[in-house]
Amino acid sequence: SQQGEEDPQALSIQEGENATMNCSYKTSINNLQWYRQNSGRGLVHLILIRSNEREKHSGRLRVTLDTSKKSSSLLITASRAADTASYFCAASGTYKYIFGTGTRLKVLA
Amino acid sequence: DAGVIQSPRHEVTEMGQEVTLRCKPISGHDYLFWYRQTMMRGLELLIYFNNNVPIDDSGMPEDRFSAKMPNASFSTLKIQPSEPRDSAVYFCASSLRGVDEQYFGPGTRLTVT
Repeated sequence: SQQGEEDPQALSIQEGENATMNCSYKTSINNLQWYRQNSGRGLVHLILIRSNEREKHSGRLRVTLDTSKKSSSLLITASRAADTASYFCAASGTYKYIFGTGTRLKVLA
Repeated sequence: DAGVIQSPRHEVTEMGQEVTLRCKPISGHDYLFWYRQTMMRGLELLIYFNNNVPIDDSGMPEDRFSAKMPNASFSTLKIQPSEPRDSAVYFCASSLRGVDEQYFGPGTRLTVT
């Protein structure tokens, strides 16, 4: 079963707008990570948030975690065309991460 | 460090043939993961190793799939015999500790005809 499921499946926005992606998971976790995948490439780690954290920032990225709702969100502010990619969340209770099916983000110039 | 290295980058083979995918993790990383990505099923964890020992292979789809890690700098994923439904992109990733960020290789795109 999927541990992380992203929503929406696809998102199209204009350059400069903010993009918000959501992730839900099913069991207790130690931490949750977000990754980006450009077409034809491997995944690149963006940010990790631990189960005892509620919010974390990294540059234009803001991640929140609500363990009571078993959900997380990734906000990309002031989006750029280069942010066009698929974004995945990966939740882990142990050393094993389960990835969701991803959100495909398209930023229009 | 050059990052996680995978070879070959592309593999086209006929049904029934043996396929071997190779991975060199980042030096010093204790964990190595093999994933398979398809449009239908997304990114699936096949197996992961800790200090060269397989820890969880519950994601390996069938006995046709096998993985080894003979030393800290090399791992293989073998499919024998291959089938068209094995067509996918196979990723290798490594991490310093299991709970840390994972570093992914560029992937091997496998096509079985």
